[in-house]
Amino acid sequence: AQSVTQLDSQVPVFEEAPVELRCNYSSSVSVYLFWYVQYPNQGLQLLLKYLSGSTLVKGINGFEAEFNKSQTSFHLRKPSVHISDTAEYFCAVSEALNSGYALNFGKGTSLLVTP
Amino acid sequence: DAGVTQSPTHLIKTRGQHVTLRCSPISGHKSVSWYQQVLGQGPQFIFQYYEKEERGRGNFPDRFSARQFPNYSSELNVNALLLGDSALYLCASSLAGTSYYEQYFGPGTRLTVT
Repeated sequence: AQSVTQLDSQVPVFEEAPVELRCNYSSSVSVYLFWYVQYPNQGLQLLLKYLSGSTLVKGINGFEAEFNKSQTSFHLRKPSVHISDTAEYFCAVSEALNSGYALNFGKGTSLLVTP
Repeated sequence: DAGVTQSPTHLIKTRGQHVTLRCSPISGHKSVSWYQQVLGQGPQFIFQYYEKEERGRGNFPDRFSARQFPNYSSELNVNALLLGDSALYLCASSLAGTSYYEQYFGPGTRLTVT
């Protein structure tokens, strides 16, 4: 089974500073990779996804991620964070099932942006 | 267009009881997946349904079951509730049942078992 490891459980950062949230995955086959954000008491919202093609993926709210096959990583970055970016961030990999698929999520990284 | 809707928003049950959670997908979406998110953890896959058929099942006991109706809405049933079933249950819909299609998540149902 494919798995995802988010290397940091919490990341504190000051407003307008850059941030990187790290994600590594384990897979021996082609993968689809995703980053989701979860605000308090809400569901998950897709930030960006990698399916194929360019390894640099741009998403919503100024986020981007880089797919690195050799290092099996998919780190999320933002050059300048806002207070409103405070949330839980989840990296996920798509795993094929017999006739469907599931998302395997990491444990999440809590991003706390302070003034 | 309305997003994925789930009901109820919150639910409190007692150990041993049964619960039914409901999900309505985005209009035009034919696949529904269910996830369990325990506090402080990432979501864990429970089921995927596509065109009213079960396409995948996660590592959950048989107390968990689901079904998808002709209008593509879905129910998740949990029997003989345990304290450990307390979690946020998320429903996600997608256009079809393949991994290429983005999953859109609902706000979830918060289940508390006492």
